[in-house]
Amino acid sequence: KQEVTQIPAALSVPEGENLVLNCSFTDSAIYNLQWFRQDPGKGLTSLLLIQSSQREQTSGRLNASLDKSSGRSTLYIAASQPGDSATYLCAASTGANSKLTFGKGITLSVRP
Amino acid sequence: GAVVSQHPSWVICKSGTSVKIECRSLDFQATTMFWYRQFPKQSLMLMATSNEGSKATYEQGVEKDKFLINHASLTLSTLTVTSAHPEDSSFYICSVLGRTQGGTDTQYFGPGTRLTVL
Repeated sequence: KQEVTQIPAALSVPEGENLVLNCSFTDSAIYNLQWFRQDPGKGLTSLLLIQSSQREQTSGRLNASLDKSSGRSTLYIAASQPGDSATYLCAASTGANSKLTFGKGITLSVRP
Repeated sequence: GAVVSQHPSWVICKSGTSVKIECRSLDFQATTMFWYRQFPKQSLMLMATSNEGSKATYEQGVEKDKFLINHASLTLSTLTVTSAHPEDSSFYICSVLGRTQGGTDTQYFGPGTRLTVL
């Protein structure tokens, strides 16, 4: 059974800092891995999707990497801004049925 | 990507009543939809997979008689929480299975429904 872990649960950084959010998963036979953003009381916004055959994806100030052999993914946020404050969840899809297993998320606070 | 809506966005009900939550795919015909539940500071937990025209597939530990799912059309799935109790209070999120421009299967999420049972 796939398990996804995100540590730490919360992170506070000053504005402008580059930061890395970590995600680990137990079953390396993943179909893809996604990073989502969730604002308080809201649904999920997909940020980046990395296929199992890919090593990284980039969108603007965000870069996500995937290392299946070590069961890890990272989300790199460059030049963080207060507007980046949110909870970031990673989710692994294991199989063509596209079921997602989510981590608990990392709540990021970017201080002005 | 697909646009997904949920109705209502929040609902408060008395213990013992039933509540229906709708999930609509606004611009996409969805054969498969998913229902998740999220407790405070917890991850999303998949409750069931909803397939158009057939019975939903429930995850282990989810009571199918308590959480009734109907996926009668390609644009609408409903989740009915029957005889709701305070422990059912949670954030319920649906998603639809679609495909990216690159041909990858992915889920598009609705905005969620906050259920509070008094």
